[in-house]
Amino acid sequence: DIVMTQSPDSLAVSLGERATINCKSSPSLLYKSNKKYFLAWYQQKPGQSPKLLIYWASTREFGVPDRFSGSGSGTDFTLTISSLQAEDVAVYYCLQYESPPYTFGQGTKLEIK
Amino acid sequence: EVQLVESGGAVVQPGGSLRLSCVSSGFTFGDYGMHWVRQAPGKGLEWVSLVSWDGGTTYYADSVKGRFIISRDDSKHSLFLQMNSLRPEDTAFYYCVKSAAFSYAYHFDYWGQGTLVTVSS
Repeated sequence: DIVMTQSPDSLAVSLGERATINCKSSPSLLYKSNKKYFLAWYQQKPGQSPKLLIYWASTREFGVPDRFSGSGSGTDFTLTISSLQAEDVAVYYCLQYESPPYTFGQGTKLEIK
Repeated sequence: EVQLVESGGAVVQPGGSLRLSCVSSGFTFGDYGMHWVRQAPGKGLEWVSLVSWDGGTTYYADSVKGRFIISRDDSKHSLFLQMNSLRPEDTAFYYCVKSAAFSYAYHFDYWGQGTLVTVSS
């Protein structure tokens, strides 16, 4: 099974500052046909179901603010929030969808400092 | 607007059975693979099962293989999860989740609100 390791487990960032969450896969998530990666990011606010933010590691879902961006390659991926807003308080998860069993990172809890 | 509404969650004793349902709207149900994902209270996300767009292919997490059965009824735009031999560790919110395409190797794009299954004596 593909193992997804997220870091940090929790993060406190000041409003307007940058937040960075990391996800490491073992092995690589490269899809050789399109040179993209089978990696998505989700946001789960308290009391809500998860919401898709990013797929193919760097493609922003329609309607997601452009302060959210995804990057990375091989086995190392990053979700960046360029300027943290109060409504971004949530738990963030990465997901590999290369093949079943699909696996999530353990989650990163993002709070306001 | 895509909507996924789960039902069937309940309190059940260990060893018991339960059937979850999910009714969909806002998209052509028969064109997409569908998943169940669960989340124990206060814990992270765990993928449970996938059924392909035509129902012909199914996958399961090792933790539920042989006990859970995923199925779909395209005429009713519905997804199901038959849960047998339930264990306390199956206690979780169960989410109905839409695949972005017809089978595996695609991300999950829409989630229902979840239904709570509690396994306890």
